[in-house]
Amino acid sequence: EAGVAQSPRYKIIEKRQSVAFWCNPISGHATLYWYQQILGQGPKLLIQFQNNGVVDDSQLPKDRFSAERLKGVDSTLKIQPAKLEDSAVYLCASSRRQGRKIPEAFFGQGTRLTVV
Amino acid sequence: AQKVTQAQTEISVVEKEDVTLDCVYETRDTTYYLFWYKQPPSGELVFLIRRNSFDEQNEISGRYSWNFQKSTSSFNFTITASQVVDSAVYFCALSEALNTGTASKLTFGTGTRLQVTL
Repeated sequence: EAGVAQSPRYKIIEKRQSVAFWCNPISGHATLYWYQQILGQGPKLLIQFQNNGVVDDSQLPKDRFSAERLKGVDSTLKIQPAKLEDSAVYLCASSRRQGRKIPEAFFGQGTRLTVV
Repeated sequence: AQKVTQAQTEISVVEKEDVTLDCVYETRDTTYYLFWYKQPPSGELVFLIRRNSFDEQNEISGRYSWNFQKSTSSFNFTITASQVVDSAVYFCALSEALNTGTASKLTFGTGTRLQVTL
């Protein structure tokens, strides 16, 4: 099966500009996650969707970050305006229900954002 | 609050050596899941194993083995006879079970970079 697709792979912007990332999860995966991975750290969850509803956005800086998952498939993560500290890799992941077992998440290759 | 600690920032070994990556976790949940992921230079995180809090059996998969000890809140990962292709960053992660079949967020450690040389 095709994996999680993300675009673009790399993006360089100036601070205060806006940027958007796109994610296409694995077909049939109802849960979609956006993680932020700062260099040298583990990924940190920004937002989790179940179909097109938000499950957890407690760590999303809502004054500048927004995300949507229209029709419960593709998702877009936006940053506006960007700050220097937003430089990171943005990882999208998806998972599907597996009965009572917590499923593993499948990750895309990520978008590396550099804010200058 | 959940926390995962991977105290080893970087490990270098020579090919064919055995290496153990340590993972210590903290959680107040009685039901939780532990994961190991591999992150090669290409960037995507690759799932290696999942273990739930009620299953303390050790697991072996080829050259990989995992030792889960609830008493010490540890979930260590051993690679036997390491190979150059094992070079990557390895992450341990913790997830609580929100409700039946619903996955919660993964709380990751800071990762251990493994370098295997010839």
